[in-house]
Amino acid sequence: AQKVTQTQTSISVVEKTTVTMDCVYETRDSSYFLFWYKQTASGEIVFLIRQDSYKKENATVGHYSLNFQKPKSSIGLIITATQIEDSAVYFCAMRDGGTGSKLSFGKGAKLTVSP
Amino acid sequence: ETAVFQTPNYHVTQVGNEVSFNCKQTLGHDTMYWYKQDSKKLLKIMFSYNNKQLIVNETVPRRFSPQSSDKAHLNLRIKSVEPEDSAVYLCASSLNWGSSYEQYFGPGTRLTVL
Repeated sequence: AQKVTQTQTSISVVEKTTVTMDCVYETRDSSYFLFWYKQTASGEIVFLIRQDSYKKENATVGHYSLNFQKPKSSIGLIITATQIEDSAVYFCAMRDGGTGSKLSFGKGAKLTVSP
Repeated sequence: ETAVFQTPNYHVTQVGNEVSFNCKQTLGHDTMYWYKQDSKKLLKIMFSYNNKQLIVNETVPRRFSPQSSDKAHLNLRIKSVEPEDSAVYLCASSLNWGSSYEQYFGPGTRLTVL
């Protein structure tokens, strides 16, 4: 069974700095997909970025990038030049490539960006 | 506007009642999901539908039953609610059943069981 672990529960940073959010995963599949989602204070869940297990290059979207370390089963989310509106709960998620697979989420990490 | 819509936003009911939640997506996606988010923010999949067909049915009590009339709609009925059913129920959709596709979430329905 797949498992996603986020050890950080709460992170506080000052705006315009860079923050890294950690995530490790477990899977027996050779093909899988890793995602990061953000849940705002209003409850809205938004997809941020994805990493395909077979790709060596780290994914980058806007000021979000990933640090994919496959041997360590690790997929960190890096947010550069943080803004107040980045304050939210961030979820790491994984889905195996097999038929019938489901998206499994970590417990989430709350990011607070202050002025 | 293309998105995932859920009704109602909130629902308060008493133990033993039946409730129904609606979800509609206008993204043209083939696949829809129901998730439960508990008070600790844990997100767990309940059901997955692809083109009106049930694909995934997690270990969910039998009082929960999803219903899909077409690929744009996925409703959730809870027959005889229990206190532990208090949670936020989130509907989501993705382009199709492929694992690589990101999911788009609705705003959620917050259920409180008294």
